[in-house]
Amino acid sequence: AQTVTQSQPEMSVQEAETVTLSCTYDTSESDYYLFWYKQPPSRQMILVIRQEAYKQQNATENRFSVNFQKAAKSFSLKISDSQLGDAAMYFCAIQGGSEKLVFGKGTKLTVNP
Amino acid sequence: EAGVAQSPRYKIIEKRQSVAFWCNPISGHATLYWYQQILGQGPKLLIQFQNNGVVDDSQLPKDRFSAERLKGVDSTLKIQPAKLEDSAVYLCASSRTGSSYNSPLHFGNGTRLTVT
Repeated sequence: AQTVTQSQPEMSVQEAETVTLSCTYDTSESDYYLFWYKQPPSRQMILVIRQEAYKQQNATENRFSVNFQKAAKSFSLKISDSQLGDAAMYFCAIQGGSEKLVFGKGTKLTVNP
Repeated sequence: EAGVAQSPRYKIIEKRQSVAFWCNPISGHATLYWYQQILGQGPKLLIQFQNNGVVDDSQLPKDRFSAERLKGVDSTLKIQPAKLEDSAVYLCASSRTGSSYNSPLHFGNGTRLTVT
């Protein structure tokens, strides 16, 4: 079984500053993938960034980067130069082997002008 | 490319009534997913189709929920009879293949269902 825990129900950040969202996970699979999805008020889930577990190099997509600590089973998301459009729910997710994609409960990010 | 289309956007029904949701995936996407997202939680997979065959329906409450994907394109999710605890957002997603990493999921805007 796979589980994802997001311990921060809500976070806030000032525009142009940096914020880090936390995620821990558990899986019995040796090969798995990790994802961060963004869900704005429109409700559409949008893929932000993804990481293969066997890759040690942290994934980066423009202002979004991850800190993947495999031994600690931690997968945090860092948003640099935060923008008002970054305000949304952020979900961490894992998929391993033939398992289904499992999401955490989400973190609500508020960006203050 | 056009995104995943879902309808209706909102639906309010009384308990014990029936309801149906419709999803049109991105053209060429073989895999279609239905997720249930209860308020304050992440999406939970209800059913996954590969073309018009069911790959995973282990979390679908089969006594009241049913889904079909005729001709491997559009899909319909039905609830009959609805219960109060079915109030949630129902999200449809599609991908080219069943691997979330190699073929990321594209989600629709969902249907918000309220059961009173």
